[in-house]
Amino acid sequence: GAVVSQHPSWVICKSGTSVKIECRSLDFQATTMFWYRQFPKQSLMLMATSNEGSKATYEQGVEKDKFLINHASLTLSTLTVTSAHPEDSSFYICSASPRGYSYEQYFGPGTRLTVT
Amino acid sequence: QKEVEQNSGPLSVPEGAIASLNCTYSDRGSQSFFWYRQYSGKSPELIMFIYSNGDKEDGRFTAQLNKASQYVSLLIRDSQPSDSATYLCAVTQGGSEKLVFGKGTKLTVNP
Repeated sequence: GAVVSQHPSWVICKSGTSVKIECRSLDFQATTMFWYRQFPKQSLMLMATSNEGSKATYEQGVEKDKFLINHASLTLSTLTVTSAHPEDSSFYICSASPRGYSYEQYFGPGTRLTVT
Repeated sequence: QKEVEQNSGPLSVPEGAIASLNCTYSDRGSQSFFWYRQYSGKSPELIMFIYSNGDKEDGRFTAQLNKASQYVSLLIRDSQPSDSATYLCAVTQGGSEKLVFGKGTKLTVNP
């Protein structure tokens, strides 16, 4: 149980284009989903928290107009990187917290984004 | 600034030994504590969580929590080469559901 999927697993895009990443909880409903990014040899950095049906809460320093988050249902959240630049290249990972189980987060497999 | 500190390692142990991983945290309001395992190039996998002071055992893994000392640890018994990974300690931030992660300890189990 507690399986989270992400799509795509990797993507290469040109500078200036937008990329959408999907995060799905496959066998549970997620009250909350989280989006992280991780640079090589560094720990996870929380970008934003999203709750179904409400606006995402972004961490300090994360541009909400650049990283658009939509939590359309209790099983789906999307992250859109708009006008991507090479410095946005990173490993993006989502996690989901099962409804009724406080605080445990289960991670998706991650999406490796390369902007050329 | 809420912080979670871990020894970056690398920690090397022989196969079959006990690996001991430690973590300290600064936020006295933290209520929930997690250990994640992350293989190189992969996302983190939840292996243990603990909410109360004391020990919690699950198979070869034991998590230990001491809130007074703001210290949480993970013991891996009978370590296997497949346990070689980076272990991330994560702590809830105050009363929220956000997790603050340590930078991880790289564990190598030598056959």
